[in-house]
Amino acid sequence: SYELTQPPSVSVSPGQTASITCSGDKLGDKYACWYQQKSGQSPVLVIYQDTKRPSGIPERFSGSNSGNTATLTISGTQAMDEADYYCQAWDSNTVVFGGGTKLTVL
Amino acid sequence: EVHVVESGGGLVKPGGSLRLSCAASGFTFSTYDMNWVRQAPGKGLEWVSSISSSSSYIYYADSVKGRFTISRDNAKNSLYLQMNSLRAEDTAVYYCAREEIYTSGSYSAKWFDPWGQGTLVTVSS
Repeated sequence: SYELTQPPSVSVSPGQTASITCSGDKLGDKYACWYQQKSGQSPVLVIYQDTKRPSGIPERFSGSNSGNTATLTISGTQAMDEADYYCQAWDSNTVVFGGGTKLTVL
Repeated sequence: EVHVVESGGGLVKPGGSLRLSCAASGFTFSTYDMNWVRQAPGKGLEWVSSISSSSSYIYYADSVKGRFTISRDNAKNSLYLQMNSLRAEDTAVYYCAREEIYTSGSYSAKWFDPWGQGTLVTVSS
């Protein structure tokens, strides 16, 4: 079965750029999306189709996907961005999530 | 506004059954595929099941295949998950989510938006 791998945690200082990776076999040949889940809340879509932002998602969130790695980048990270982030892809009629990355804004 | 609201969670003994419901509003429910996703306490997201708009295509995660049944009633704008032979490892918050899809050639993108607030299922004696 297909697997997506994320680092368990990433730390960033306020105002700096945070990058969260998601690795999977030939992931660049598929489409990836990203969800943000703040403590005690439901997941919220922040990036879909590799690079697109839903309405209402700040421009500081961006995505890329190439080779075996998709990346979520948060520019000018704010304290409100502290959350768990999950990547997701679709393979052979099943949906696959990465294990999640806890983003800490120090 | 687009909304999905889950209900039906609760405490059930191992081997028992439970039926979850998801009420949709603010969009044409009958034209969207729908999904269930769960999250065990302190753990990550796990996809459970999907159903196409007309119920023609249904898929399950291996972990629930043969025990869970997804269904929908487009006249009632509702999605369901019948859970039988429940195990302790089924303990989780269960989310209902609308599926969006984009297809380009042989590649497809699928994503979930929105998600409901979730309903907690606890399997314990």
